[in-house]
Amino acid sequence: EPEVTQTPSHQVTQMGQEVILRCVPISNHLYFYWYRQILGQKVEFLVSFYNNEISEKSEIFDDQFSVERPDGSNFTLKIRSTKLEDSAMYFCASSRDGYNSPLHFGNGTRLTVT
Amino acid sequence: KNQVEQSPQSLIILEGKNCTLQCNYTVSPFSNLRWYKQDTGRGPVSLTIMTFSENTKSNGRYTATLDADTKQSSLHITASQLSDSASYICVVRSTDSWGKLQFGAGTQVVVTP
Repeated sequence: EPEVTQTPSHQVTQMGQEVILRCVPISNHLYFYWYRQILGQKVEFLVSFYNNEISEKSEIFDDQFSVERPDGSNFTLKIRSTKLEDSAMYFCASSRDGYNSPLHFGNGTRLTVT
Repeated sequence: KNQVEQSPQSLIILEGKNCTLQCNYTVSPFSNLRWYKQDTGRGPVSLTIMTFSENTKSNGRYTATLDADTKQSSLHITASQLSDSASYICVVRSTDSWGKLQFGAGTQVVVTP
């Protein structure tokens, strides 16, 4: 069964550095998402992306965050200047449609900011 | 405020036994409710999706129910197996937002031999 793949699985970075988290969604999916989960907390929505543009973003997704679909297969999340509180598991997801299709999640990138 | 509350927070059951997990939500206007299974260190995996008009949906040994009037859902696991040990998360989507799913905190299920 096709799956969403994320790289790297674990990223350690120093505060203030830029990081790029990479995702390859399922090939025939059109809707893409980033969610994050701080250790011990609920999964939280960051951003949704469709037709090469952001459809919706949460209050967490401030000017330090950006997303891009640089080619037909990759979907990236960039954090420009990381803070300690950005430490979390970041999940990429994709879905066939934006309504009743399930979201297929990758296994996440654990970001640790020191 | 859109909320999804789950109970219990955790439970331990013997292999082969059944269990039921609860979910209450205040998300409005309601579009659909999903149950996900999340193994430790992995991404959530979809079990069921139910819209307003659906009362019950099954996926193997998992059966979800939905009462949209009382805004409650349950997930029943039949004849539990060791591999059922995971966090089970109730997730609700509003018609206001196709991308922003509201996640509950999950129920941590541990199945013991």
